[in-house]
Amino acid sequence: QSVLTQPPSTSGTPGQRVTISCSGSSSNIGSKSVTWYQQLPGTAPKLLIYSNNQRPSGVPDRFSGSRSGTSASLAISGLQSEDEADYYCGAWDDSLNGYVFGTGTKVTVL
Amino acid sequence: EVQLVESGGALVQPGGSLRLSCAASGFTLSSYWMNWVRQAPGRGLEWVANMNEDGSGKYYVDSVKGRFTISRDNADNSLHLQMNSLRAEDTAVYYCARGISTVDSYWGQGTLVTVSS
Repeated sequence: QSVLTQPPSTSGTPGQRVTISCSGSSSNIGSKSVTWYQQLPGTAPKLLIYSNNQRPSGVPDRFSGSRSGTSASLAISGLQSEDEADYYCGAWDDSLNGYVFGTGTKVTVL
Repeated sequence: EVQLVESGGALVQPGGSLRLSCAASGFTLSSYWMNWVRQAPGRGLEWVANMNEDGSGKYYVDSVKGRFTISRDNADNSLHLQMNSLRAEDTAVYYCARGISTVDSYWGQGTLVTVSS
């Protein structure tokens, strides 16, 4: 049972902007950095955003992350067909003394 | 080139044991926090365990504490996960990952563990 809550799914047409929320608590998002992952069908997860809003090299600037209080968000602007994937947030949890992932959000490009 | 290759996944009966391995190349495993993350069929990601660079810190998700042990072999640059008292709910693809929340994060392709009679 994940302590980070995400919407199960979201969708958009090519070119649209979609956002994914990640709701946590003071023991995780409220005090720790948030990471976002992209998992394309049948593949291993890939780091998308680290330290709340930092993009590794190679990740398009269409992807952006933010954190406010005990929640975080991932935004995908200019949605493309190759963005169709599952997205997860993650953070260390001081109460559990372990890392926690969000419940995951499936993004569908219509 | 950085590579992580998991092995050891298999079909095992409930109560049985299995040892997963993760062979690292292109970097020195002992210079990084290393993790095991699993994903049950059709489900989300679940962090299982990690260990710090010098091996002095090891952390586990509550559901595997006392049953799983993470370890590292510096001689052959490999990471291991010893899994005992396996349960049906341990069925998953197990990923080995370097630094899951840092810019130099890297994941293997996973190995499937199936616990069933």
